[in-house]
Amino acid sequence: SQTIHQWPATLVQPVGSPLSLECTVEGTSNPNLYWYRQAAGRGLQLLFYSVGIGQISSEVPQNLSASRPQDRQFILSSKKLLLSDSGFYLCAWAGTGGQTQYFGPGTRLLVL
Amino acid sequence: QKEVEQNSGPLSVPEGAIASLNCTYSDRGSQSFFWYRQYSGKSPELIMFIYSNGDKEDGRFTAQLNKASQYVSLLIRDSQPSDSATYLCAVNLYGGSQGNLIFGKGTKLSVKP
Repeated sequence: SQTIHQWPATLVQPVGSPLSLECTVEGTSNPNLYWYRQAAGRGLQLLFYSVGIGQISSEVPQNLSASRPQDRQFILSSKKLLLSDSGFYLCAWAGTGGQTQYFGPGTRLLVL
Repeated sequence: QKEVEQNSGPLSVPEGAIASLNCTYSDRGSQSFFWYRQYSGKSPELIMFIYSNGDKEDGRFTAQLNKASQYVSLLIRDSQPSDSATYLCAVNLYGGSQGNLIFGKGTKLSVKP
């Protein structure tokens, strides 16, 4: 069966510090991978998606970036965090050609 | 702008009743539709998906799709306190391998014992 991991689970960072969140998927090959952010009182916002190694599409221009160095690894980064980057970051995967997305446990980020 | 609308609630129903959650979407070409449940502080988990007009049943859950009216609903029969959560409706605009979903903001359901 497939499993998706995210870490860290929670993170408190000062404004201006860098960020690296990691997501890995087990039990599947060549998944589509997604990064979402869920801010308080707002819906899920798609940030990036990837259909393969090194292939990243950005949905929202901002100070975040994503990379996919391996087939089942997806990383979300920032060089300098803003207060507005606080939120619940969710990684999701879907099978190749599939539409159903499955979410990881999430990382709760608080920028102070 | 492509949108998915849900009543934010909270929707309060007594234990054992039927809970009805509704969702409307703006893009008539939308292909597939998903319901996720999200407990407070947790990530969304998939409940059901539906692609064709009509009803789809899975246990206590029934998804209903009406593409002509551009709405999709989720019925929860015999509601339990453990069903108390926020329910997210999601719509796939393209139906293809990109699988990009547009999410509503969710409806908070409270089931009272």
